[in-house]
Amino acid sequence: DSGVTQTPKHLITATGQRVTLRCSPRSGDLSVYWYQQSLDQGLQFLIQYYNGEERAKGNILERFSAQQFPDLHSELNLSSLELGDSALYFCASSEPYTGELFFGEGSRLTVL
Amino acid sequence: GNSVTQMEGPVTLSEEAFLTINCTYTATGYPSLFWYVQYPGEGLQLLLKATKADDKGSNKGFEATYRKETTSFHLEKGSVQVSDSAVYFCALSDPESGAGSYQLTFGKGTKLSVIP
Repeated sequence: DSGVTQTPKHLITATGQRVTLRCSPRSGDLSVYWYQQSLDQGLQFLIQYYNGEERAKGNILERFSAQQFPDLHSELNLSSLELGDSALYFCASSEPYTGELFFGEGSRLTVL
Repeated sequence: GNSVTQMEGPVTLSEEAFLTINCTYTATGYPSLFWYVQYPGEGLQLLLKATKADDKGSNKGFEATYRKETTSFHLEKGSVQVSDSAVYFCALSDPESGAGSYQLTFGKGTKLSVIP
């Protein structure tokens, strides 16, 4: 158990819909990272938050957005969903001094 | 930009065989290098890491040496077990990320299957 909690574990929805994925980092970790894992693209970094503020942005689509709340949990919002958004979405938090990332078990999104 | 290239899988080995998974990288500056493992149905776990040239990371019988001259970080294990069956990811941390930021660039992963 990494200590990072993601919900839901599985989600099936239709094209055009909007979903929200939730992540609770390990106790004491201030950074949250979101990654997308798909068969064709591999693991792609989407976005990072540090103590409530956006720190870095990767290959995140404009239809996607994220935020980190005062209690440090984070949400990834995916809107106007397309078939190609079907993927496993991972959240991770980082140990502040070593930089080791701890990953949650992921949320598997299926868009039909 | 930064990139990681690792050998395509899947790799199938018999128990007690020697394992090598090749990984090379492209980065500006001096990245830290990592191997992560993903067991079926689980998230990624850090297997080992190296933070500077010639460092050797090791864990659970796996080893990898940070080779700056060849920009490589190959994963090796002398005798694999069935329980090592998983997907292995090579990754680097962006040295330009700044303090407190450890975004990783991953390779595409190599699936290892170990048969009894």
